Amino acid sequence: EAQVTQNPRYLITVTGKKLTVTCSQNMNHEYMSWYRQDPGLGLRQIYYSMNVEATDKGDVPEGYKVSRKEKRNFPLILESPSPNQTSLYFCASKISQGTYEQYFGPGTRLTVT
Amino acid sequence: GESVGLHLPTLSVQEGDNSIINCAYSNSASDYFIWYKQESGKGPQFIIDIRSNMDKRQGQRVTVLLNKTVKHLSLQIAATQPGDSAVYFCAENPGAQGGSEKLVFGKGTKLTVNP
Repeated sequence: EAQVTQNPRYLITVTGKKLTVTCSQNMNHEYMSWYRQDPGLGLRQIYYSMNVEATDKGDVPEGYKVSRKEKRNFPLILESPSPNQTSLYFCASKISQGTYEQYFGPGTRLTVT
Repeated sequence: GESVGLHLPTLSVQEGDNSIINCAYSNSASDYFIWYKQESGKGPQFIIDIRSNMDKRQGQRVTVLLNKTVKHLSLQIAATQPGDSAVYFCAENPGAQGGSEKLVFGKGTKLTVNP
């Protein structure tokens, strides 16, 4: 089944404790991205990757890191999480640049206390 | 269609009725628009898209209408079913003419279908 998977689905952590949210897609998509969704604000892009070893900042990159060492994986790293990073995070992928139809993962609900 | 504060606009319809969900977009240069459906506890799911050179596009039980004069987008769902209950939001691509693929997402409308 073609899908985007994220792990973990739920995470409660404390301020300053490094964490990684994994994202993997099995559709051989070149383009992947991370979004956060907050009440009243809609989806906002954090980082995106056009292909392996090619990443760039989205609208709200502060406090986040990403890497794209393999085509299928695009982990989101929070080196020192803070309470304002409490949010619902979605990973998405699409075939390539120049297309718009994105496939979203199921989401990761992160709480930072 | 856009929310204010923490509360989403809501639409409640009876099963079998047609639903119309509205979205006002912000940028007259936007070239491409998408509707997404997000069910509780799931990621957004692509429904239908439309380019700015069209004013109507139909899919299976869904129709998207684009009115560029007033920067308004609507999603019509025919014969609404309980499985259509979800949050629906639109997205626009304001930078298409400059080659940017960035999408700007609306905040959504919550559709409830009553049996």
